[in-house]
Amino acid sequence: EADIYQTPRYLVIGTGKKITLECSQTMGHDKMYWYQQDPGMELHLIHYSYGVNSTEKGDLSSESTVSRIRTEHFPLTLESARPSHTSQYLCASSGDRTSPLHFGNGTRLTVT
Amino acid sequence: GENVEQHPSTLSVQEGDSAVIKCTYSDSASNYFPWYKQELGKRPQLIIDIRSNVGEKKDQRIAVTLNKTAKHFSLHITETQPEDSAVYFCALHAPYRGSTLGRLYFGRGTQLTVWP
Repeated sequence: EADIYQTPRYLVIGTGKKITLECSQTMGHDKMYWYQQDPGMELHLIHYSYGVNSTEKGDLSSESTVSRIRTEHFPLTLESARPSHTSQYLCASSGDRTSPLHFGNGTRLTVT
Repeated sequence: GENVEQHPSTLSVQEGDSAVIKCTYSDSASNYFPWYKQELGKRPQLIIDIRSNVGEKKDQRIAVTLNKTAKHFSLHITETQPEDSAVYFCALHAPYRGSTLGRLYFGRGTQLTVWP
């Protein structure tokens, strides 16, 4: 079934660790996005991509990086995790600029 | 960037009543206006969307209206049910000036509670 998949679902790590959150979609979508969201709260755009080799900074991008080497894969890396990074991270994709976003189930990150 | 104002932030209604959530924006070039519903512990999901060349769209108990002149759009839920309880987010696509590219901007969300 075409969908968007995120791994891991839950992650607990110590301060200072480098982590990569994985996101893959099987819908052939060009556009992909990373959002940070505390439960039930607003969605903050971290990074997005229009297609392969395209990455753009969102509103909360300064402490993370992304890459888009393949259409289906859009990993998010935190170089040095901090307790303030504790949150849920949602990956999303869309077919074009005025198509609906399809969200993954999210990764709940806890930094101790 | 674009600023999307969403009101109210919380809304409680009795089952069977109607609920209305309104969003305002400033960029007249905005051209796509989706609404997402996020149930507790789940991912946001699209419930309805409207494009800038349409004033109103309805899907069963849910409708969205768009007033481009006044720069606001609203979600209307009629005959509310307890399963409508969720956080609702409005969003819009604003293109970059002189470009077909752009991004989505989200409102801050409305927690809707429907009491049986």
